[in-house]
Amino acid sequence: DADVTQTPRNRITKTGKRIMLECSQTKGHDRMYWYRQDPGLGLRLIYYSFDVKDINKGEISDGYSVSRQAQAKFSLSLESAIPNQTALYFCATSGGTSGETQYFGPGTRLLVL
Amino acid sequence: GEDVEQSLFLSVREGDSSVINCTYTDSSSTYLYWYKQEPGAGLQLLTYIFSNMDMKQDQRLTVLLNKKDKHLSLRIADTQTGDSAIYFCAESINTGGFKTIFGAGTRLFVKA
Repeated sequence: DADVTQTPRNRITKTGKRIMLECSQTKGHDRMYWYRQDPGLGLRLIYYSFDVKDINKGEISDGYSVSRQAQAKFSLSLESAIPNQTALYFCATSGGTSGETQYFGPGTRLLVL
Repeated sequence: GEDVEQSLFLSVREGDSSVINCTYTDSSSTYLYWYKQEPGAGLQLLTYIFSNMDMKQDQRLTVLLNKKDKHLSLRIADTQTGDSAIYFCAESINTGGFKTIFGAGTRLFVKA
């Protein structure tokens, strides 16, 4: 079973709709991250959380919000989706004896029409 | 500022060695990483090197670190078609909590 899972894997939505992407992990890690990947731009950090009560903005947090419902769950919301949020979204975790090595989920491909 | 740069594409013939290069700007890096992303999948850690080392070898992979020039490279010996993927260089820096900065990724094409 995968250590980091993301749902949905693919999603098509319309401009203005609210959408939530969910991430769960079974690694027992404290730290969780949301990234978006765009061609030629690599990974850009949206939000990260070092603990259940800790939420921090990354480099591109505008238009996004997050919720850390439990140590194992970290969800990303787009309150009002826009076409330039079309991207591949990855959740990642780190912590414990793995140090800063990050473990990634399989990604969610989002298309905003 | 913090930045990690790498070239976007590399093409090699099957059986040749591949060398993927990366430069970074922050001298307070603690660990430097290479991640591999296969089509349709998330990133997976390939190897890493601690910042006080200058070389690490792991089977077909050799990582070289030149701290003075802030240059990291990944050499894949006897490159196979299964090595075709995007390779991301990343550094962890300590900013009062650790932060990981990723490069844009190098897409490796392996020609049979």
